[in-house]
Amino acid sequence: EAQVTQNPRYLITVTGKKLTVTCSQNMNHEYMSWYRQDPGLGLRQIYYSMNVEVTDKGDVPEGYKVSRKEKRNFPLILESPSPNQTSLYFCASSSNPGFGATEAFFGQGTRLTVV
Amino acid sequence: AQSVTQPDIHITVSEGASLELRCNYSYGATPYLFWYVQSPGQGLQLLLKYFSGDTLVQGIKGFEAEFKRSQSSFNLRKPSVHWSDAAEYFCAVGAQGNFGNEKLTFGTGTRLTIIP
Repeated sequence: EAQVTQNPRYLITVTGKKLTVTCSQNMNHEYMSWYRQDPGLGLRQIYYSMNVEVTDKGDVPEGYKVSRKEKRNFPLILESPSPNQTSLYFCASSSNPGFGATEAFFGQGTRLTVV
Repeated sequence: AQSVTQPDIHITVSEGASLELRCNYSYGATPYLFWYVQSPGQGLQLLLKYFSGDTLVQGIKGFEAEFKRSQSSFNLRKPSVHWSDAAEYFCAVGAQGNFGNEKLTFGTGTRLTIIP
């Protein structure tokens, strides 16, 4: 089954404690991205990756890091989480970064709470 | 920069009634437009998309949307809603980033409630 898998689904952590949210896709997609969803703000792009070792900032990259060492994986790293990073996070992938022929597939989401 | 406006935060519709969700976009070139649906506790699922050609596009679950360039709109419609359509709906525009058209900008969403 084609899917984007995020882990964990739920996470409560303390301010300053480094964490990683993993994202893996089994569709051999080149393009992957991370979004955060906040009430009244919709989804905002954090980072995206066009392919292995090719990443770029989205609209709200501050406080986040990403890496793309393998095509299937695109982890989101919070080096020093703060309460304003409490949010619902989604990973997405697609085979065509131009959206010309395919859709973006989204993971189930990771609800992060930073206390 | 591109932007998407969904003016209705919450809409309530009776089961069997028609539905229209509004979406306005701002983008300098021809946009790629999408509607996604998010059911409670789930990720986003693509309902339909517009890239070019026929301005009336059909999607899954009986939804359709019409692209109107003169109004910068891409409204979502369904002739008769079902209780299972209760969800949050997001309009999005695909726009050009550093490497090409790879960025999705989302609206703030419209929550749809269905009453019996």
